[in-house]
Amino acid sequence: AQSVAQPEDQVNVAEGNPLTVKCTYSVSGNPYLFWYVQYPNRGLQFLLKYITGDNLVKGSYGFEAEFNKSQTSFHLKKPSALVSDSALYFCAVRAVTGGFKTIFGAGTRLFVKA
Amino acid sequence: DVKVTQSSRYLVKRTGEKVFLECVQDMDHENMFWYRQDPGLGLRLIYFSYDVKMKEKGDIPEGYSVSREKKERFSLILESASTNQTSMYLCASSLGGGGDYGYTFGSGTRLTVV
Repeated sequence: AQSVAQPEDQVNVAEGNPLTVKCTYSVSGNPYLFWYVQYPNRGLQFLLKYITGDNLVKGSYGFEAEFNKSQTSFHLKKPSALVSDSALYFCAVRAVTGGFKTIFGAGTRLFVKA
Repeated sequence: DVKVTQSSRYLVKRTGEKVFLECVQDMDHENMFWYRQDPGLGLRLIYFSYDVKMKEKGDIPEGYSVSREKKERFSLILESASTNQTSMYLCASSLGGGGDYGYTFGSGTRLTVV
């Protein structure tokens, strides 16, 4: 069965510092991996995805994520955080052979302090 | 700008009422999904559809049904609303095919059952 874990409910970081939001997954076979962001009272917005190829994936708003197959992780990163990055972040996984079903993590709330 | 539109942002319904949540997408996407979002639980898949008149159960289909009579419209039906169905409901769509496409989400419907 597919699963996604986001081990931190909340991440706090100072503006200008690097940020990391962690995600680990479990899936049979190769995964498709995604990150989404949710601002207050809004739906989720797609940030980036890993399908195949380079393990470092670049996405919207300066975010990137690193796929690590041996650690089954897909951590979201940004070199320099902005206050406007404060939001709820969701990691998601879909098995390549799993059809249309995507599993989402519980979410990590990111607070960036000025 | 491509869109997934959910007909209501906020709804308040009484226990036992039949509730309809409507979702329309203008991107000619094959796949459409209904999730509910609850704090600490992330997004949980209720139902999805990969073609007109086709539907598949997700992880928590009990108490819900869906209808997809046209490609652009996917309706979620609460047959007899209960207080434990108070939640944020998110509709999403994606292109069909190999499953490596991200989702486009609507802004959500916050449903309160009293």
